[in-house]
Amino acid sequence: DSGVTQTPKHLITATGQRVTLRCSPRSGDLSVYWYQQSLDQGLQFLIQYYNGEERAKGNILERFSAQQFPDLHSELNLSSLELGDSALYFCASSAKPGGHTGELFFGEGSRLTVL
Amino acid sequence: SQQGEEDPQALSIQEGENATMNCSYKTSINNLQWYRQNSGRGLVHLILIRSNEREKHSGRLRVTLDTSKKSSSLLITASRAADTASYFCATERGSQGNLIFGKGTKLSVKP
Repeated sequence: DSGVTQTPKHLITATGQRVTLRCSPRSGDLSVYWYQQSLDQGLQFLIQYYNGEERAKGNILERFSAQQFPDLHSELNLSSLELGDSALYFCASSAKPGGHTGELFFGEGSRLTVL
Repeated sequence: SQQGEEDPQALSIQEGENATMNCSYKTSINNLQWYRQNSGRGLVHLILIRSNEREKHSGRLRVTLDTSKKSSSLLITASRAADTASYFCATERGSQGNLIFGKGTKLSVKP
């Protein structure tokens, strides 16, 4: 058990819909990272937050947004969903701030299926 | 974009044999990490090697790093069926504060 909690574990929805994925980092970790894993694209970095502030942005679509709240949990919002958004979405946390990531602790992921 | 590229994409060996996976990357790095992922599960950190280190060991794992060739290798000795998983290298570079993962090597260890 990594200590990182993601909900929901599975989500099935229709094209055009909006979903919210939630992540609780390990106790004490200030950095949260979101990754998307699909068969054709591999593991893609989406976005990183440190103590509520956005620190780094990767291949995140404009239809996607994220935030980290004062209690350090994070949410990834996916809107106007397309079939290609079907993937495993991982949250990871780290004790170190951006600049020196160190070891990441991954949650078990949220599997999104868009029909 | 992918920074690391693992090779081979898939590897099948017998229990007891050694497994070697390679990772190549494109730009200078702060450190390189290896992770393991059991099918459909979260990734688990295995080992981190800094850019000024050449070799590191952890149990049955041995990682090497050649910054001149921009490559790393992960050796798993005396493989077990339980080692069956996908293995990913990930690089951290500059002050960007995120890890960029390769596409992974799928290892199958047959009993």
